[in-house]
Amino acid sequence: DAKTTQPTSMDCAEGRAANLPCNHSTISGNEYVYWYRQIHSQGPQYIIHGLKNNETNEMASLIITEDRKSSTLILPHATLRDTAVYYCIPCDSGANNLFFGTGTRLTVIP
Amino acid sequence: NAGVMQNPRHLVRRRGQEARLRCSPMKGHSHVYWYRQLPEEGLKFMVYLQKENIIDESGMPKERFSAEFPKEGPSILRIQQVVRGDSAAYFCASSPPSGWETQYFGPGTRLLVL
Repeated sequence: DAKTTQPTSMDCAEGRAANLPCNHSTISGNEYVYWYRQIHSQGPQYIIHGLKNNETNEMASLIITEDRKSSTLILPHATLRDTAVYYCIPCDSGANNLFFGTGTRLTVIP
Repeated sequence: NAGVMQNPRHLVRRRGQEARLRCSPMKGHSHVYWYRQLPEEGLKFMVYLQKENIIDESGMPKERFSAEFPKEGPSILRIQQVVRGDSAAYFCASSPPSGWETQYFGPGTRLLVL
């Protein structure tokens, strides 16, 4: 699986967009990029995933660079409940488990 | 549709006792995964099971830990002769037969070994 690099922590003002970057320069052609988050004391929660096209759902948008070496998760209007650790996880369908690195601790500030 | 259920939510054991953690996957999901999260660390994969089969146990400690997912009933993670280092949050996740990458996690069981 590709290694990832994410900022250790980020702050975002409530109501503003939160942009969380992830570097996955060694990603292989068949690996999707998945994003999960873990709110304190809860189980991880799936957010979104993509291969090479940008994706959007009710939770977030995912922007993947053309060379696929990095991606950005966008929470368009961050709320206090979005405070969590966000994990960027490249996934190969041939594997069968998720590798959670250290993630980015996002703090949404009132 | 009920989500993944885990019980107990909190479990206290003394050193040397056994711990049994249960996980009921989401309806229609036949794949179960167990992860462990030590204090202040990220989640680490332990084992992946399908009904009556262990598919991948590469993350399981070699001794004292076992897991099963019987034809009927919940998946069980069993820890024999617990030690203080086993204190952690244990999360179960499930997925449908296709699309293992989208896993739905339970609330976890917090095990404390005294």
